[in-house]
Amino acid sequence: SQTIHQWPATLVQPVGSPLSLECTVEGTSNPNLYWYRQAAGRGLQLLFYSVGIGQISSEVPQNLSASRPQDRQFILSSKKLLLSDSGFYLCAWSLRGQPNTEAFFGQGTRLTVV
Amino acid sequence: EDQVTQSPEALRLQEGESSSLNCSYTVSGLRGLFWYRQDPGKGPEFLFTLYSAGEEKEKERLKATLTKKESFLHITAPKPEDSATYLCAVRENTGFQKLVFGTGTRLLVSP
Repeated sequence: SQTIHQWPATLVQPVGSPLSLECTVEGTSNPNLYWYRQAAGRGLQLLFYSVGIGQISSEVPQNLSASRPQDRQFILSSKKLLLSDSGFYLCAWSLRGQPNTEAFFGQGTRLTVV
Repeated sequence: EDQVTQSPEALRLQEGESSSLNCSYTVSGLRGLFWYRQDPGKGPEFLFTLYSAGEEKEKERLKATLTKKESFLHITAPKPEDSATYLCAVRENTGFQKLVFGTGTRLLVSP
């Protein structure tokens, strides 16, 4: 069966520091991968998606970037964090080539920028 | 622009008191409506996918139904462990066909 791992679970970082969140998927090949951010009282906002190694699309302009160095690895980064980057970050995957199917989420990372 | 609206924002039930959550959507050419359950501090857990009006899916005390403009998540005789936020999402019909989420319904079931 497929599993998705996301770490760390919680992170407190000072303003201006770098960020690296990692996500890996097991049990499937060539997945579509996603990074979402969830703010309190708001729906999930798609930040980035990837359909293959090195292929990253950004949904909203922001202080963050994403990379996919391996087929089942997705990384969310920032060179200098802002207070507004605080939030709950979720990685997700779905089956490639089946655009109408569901996405499966990791357990999330609570990021607090202080 | 595709929209997903969930109601109510919050719902408090007594154990055993059945009710329904609503998800209305505006998307042309529905490519799937998805229900998720999210516990505090956790990622959303997939529950159901519905594709066409009239379709129904069931899992334990939960039943999801779909019409041309909305979906309902019926909760029959809920238990305290059903307390969670329930999220609804649809696939956009353009571009990458990304999932568009509603803001969810927070359900609290009291013993």
